[in-house]
Amino acid sequence: DQQVKQNSPSLSVQEGRISILNCDYTNSMFDYFLWYKKYPAEGPTFLISISSIKDKNEDGRFTVFLNKSAKHLSLHIVPSQPGDSAVYFCAASAHNAGNMLTFGGGTRLMVKP
Amino acid sequence: EAGVAQSPRYKIIEKRQSVAFWCNPISGHATLYWYQQILGQGPKLLIQFQNNGVVDDSQLPKDRFSAERLKGVDSTLKIQPAKLEDSAVYLCASSRQGAGTGELFFGEGSRLTVL
Repeated sequence: DQQVKQNSPSLSVQEGRISILNCDYTNSMFDYFLWYKKYPAEGPTFLISISSIKDKNEDGRFTVFLNKSAKHLSLHIVPSQPGDSAVYFCAASAHNAGNMLTFGGGTRLMVKP
Repeated sequence: EAGVAQSPRYKIIEKRQSVAFWCNPISGHATLYWYQQILGQGPKLLIQFQNNGVVDDSQLPKDRFSAERLKGVDSTLKIQPAKLEDSAVYLCASSRQGAGTGELFFGEGSRLTVL
């Protein structure tokens, strides 16, 4: 049972445009959500997070939106840059489950110059 | 601050052989995780340590996988005997004690190919 799903395996956008990566979850106990970025041959690195008490968190070009009723979150990158080309993983944790992360399958973002 | 160190980076073995991976977490990080990432999938938690005690190993195939964290610092993950489906990247991660936000710091991973 996949509790965190990223339904788009890949996404291609033009440099300067907005990239929108989506993530859905099924476990209503999840109360913290994170996005990780992964370059080839490297480990994932933390990008941005959001608590379930918020519906938006912004950090520079990156904004994460959370829709609890729809159990959906999205990551917006504006403007997209070629260096943003990577695999993006959505992850979720539940405070009452030891804060262990459950990851989605990832979305490969390609930003074309 | 030095990151999470893992070795070896790459390992190729035949099925039924054994393999061991080593991880050195960020200094001062009490919590250590081993994840398995199969190609095209997200990382899956195998085991979580808090200091040298196991917090969760519910997804660790205990008939063939074992892990230990002696003295609450370094950790080793062993597979014996390996199966073809164990081909994956094994990621070690660490976090500060009480890191309730779930933010983990990952190593570069150890890529295992089982032939």
